[in-house]
Amino acid sequence: SQQGEEDPQALSIQEGENATMNCSYKTSINNLQWYRQNSGRGLVHLILIRSNEREKHSGRLRVTLDTSKKSSSLLITASRAADTASYFCATVTDTGRRALTFGSGTRLQVQP
Amino acid sequence: TAGITQAPTSQILAAGRSMTLRCTQDMRHNAMYWYRQDLGLGLRLIHYSNTAGTTGKGEVPDGYSVSRANTDDFPLTLASAVPSQTSVYFCASSGTGVTEAFFGQGTRLTVV
Repeated sequence: SQQGEEDPQALSIQEGENATMNCSYKTSINNLQWYRQNSGRGLVHLILIRSNEREKHSGRLRVTLDTSKKSSSLLITASRAADTASYFCATVTDTGRRALTFGSGTRLQVQP
Repeated sequence: TAGITQAPTSQILAAGRSMTLRCTQDMRHNAMYWYRQDLGLGLRLIHYSNTAGTTGKGEVPDGYSVSRANTDDFPLTLASAVPSQTSVYFCASSGTGVTEAFFGQGTRLTVV
């Protein structure tokens, strides 16, 4: 079963608007990561947040983590057409298998 | 820097035939992973290896095998392909602690 589930599944916005994607997970984690995938390409790492952190920033990206609710959000500010892609959250659990478990992703379309 | 190299890029395979998907990394990462990506299901972990000489089963290991004879190579073998193994396969690697993962460009496999 998938550890992470993203919401919404698809999002369409205008250039300049902010885009918010949410991720929920099931078990306790060591860290949570967000990845981007352009159509037909491999995934690219965007940002990592550890279980003892609540918020991180990287350029136009802002990630929050609420371990009590087992949820995270990714905010992309001032979106650009080039931000059009699928975005995935991935978790690494505290115990057991040491590997990334991915959610099903959010497809973001930024209209120019 | 090449990073992660997968081969072939795409393949059409007759059901019942065997095939090995190749994956090589030049970053000296300890951990390597194989995922399959199907529409609407995100990425699912097939097998992983936390260090050379060891492998582990992921979420969907049936019908696949892997080996990790050295740090750089992590081939995935389908012993007898079935149509349900039609998918895009991604290889990835990461350093110790499962922080940022680097992905190959994928192998698109069609089993007919």
